[in-house]
Amino acid sequence: GIQVEQSPPDLILQEGANSTLRCNFSDSVNNLQWFHQNPWGQLINLFYIPSGTKQNGRLSATTVATERYSLLYISSSQTTDSGVYFCAGLFGNEKLTFGTGTRLTIIP
Amino acid sequence: NAGVTQTPKFQVLKTGQSMTLQCAQDMNHEYMSWYRQDPGMGLRLIHYSVGAGITDQGEVPNGYNVSRSTTEDFPLRLLSAAPSQTSVYFCASNKGFGANVLTFGAGSRLTVL
Repeated sequence: GIQVEQSPPDLILQEGANSTLRCNFSDSVNNLQWFHQNPWGQLINLFYIPSGTKQNGRLSATTVATERYSLLYISSSQTTDSGVYFCAGLFGNEKLTFGTGTRLTIIP
Repeated sequence: NAGVTQTPKFQVLKTGQSMTLQCAQDMNHEYMSWYRQDPGMGLRLIHYSVGAGITDQGEVPNGYNVSRSTTEDFPLRLLSAAPSQTSVYFCASNKGFGANVLTFGAGSRLTVL
């Protein structure tokens, strides 16, 4: 079946540091999204990025569809960036497949 | 604009009991789905619907039923709860899978004793 793998599984950083989260997928993707789940459990969409690069403030994402990976960059981390980051892909059907997430902890 | 509304937020059931998790959206989205989230396993798709009257199975459909009588509502039914169904459940919707992103409800934490 379709595999969506995220790395690293856990990341602990000091406030102000930069980070790169990776998402590898096993097949061609039609729709690739990044989500942030805050410590209260709320899931918020960050990016829709099936290919190319997008930026939103301190966050940016790049998907290289031909090489089957996507990266999420967080610059100048803040404590509010803590939580779990998920990528999810749509692979030729209506079923969005999620990775197991990267848990990010930002220490003040 | 309320977005995606799930009820209840918390529920405790005994094994064998039945219940319905409610999900409603006011964005006129065609696509609705239910996920469960378990530690270390990300979100797994239970059932989804691409429009009123149309439902289909996701990755982990066993033990759950759904229906889609209206565009707005997509309830998830547990007919005979089992401890393995202890989880956090999320409902989500979007307009369709073009360039449209998924909007999630706040989640429902279910414990089956």
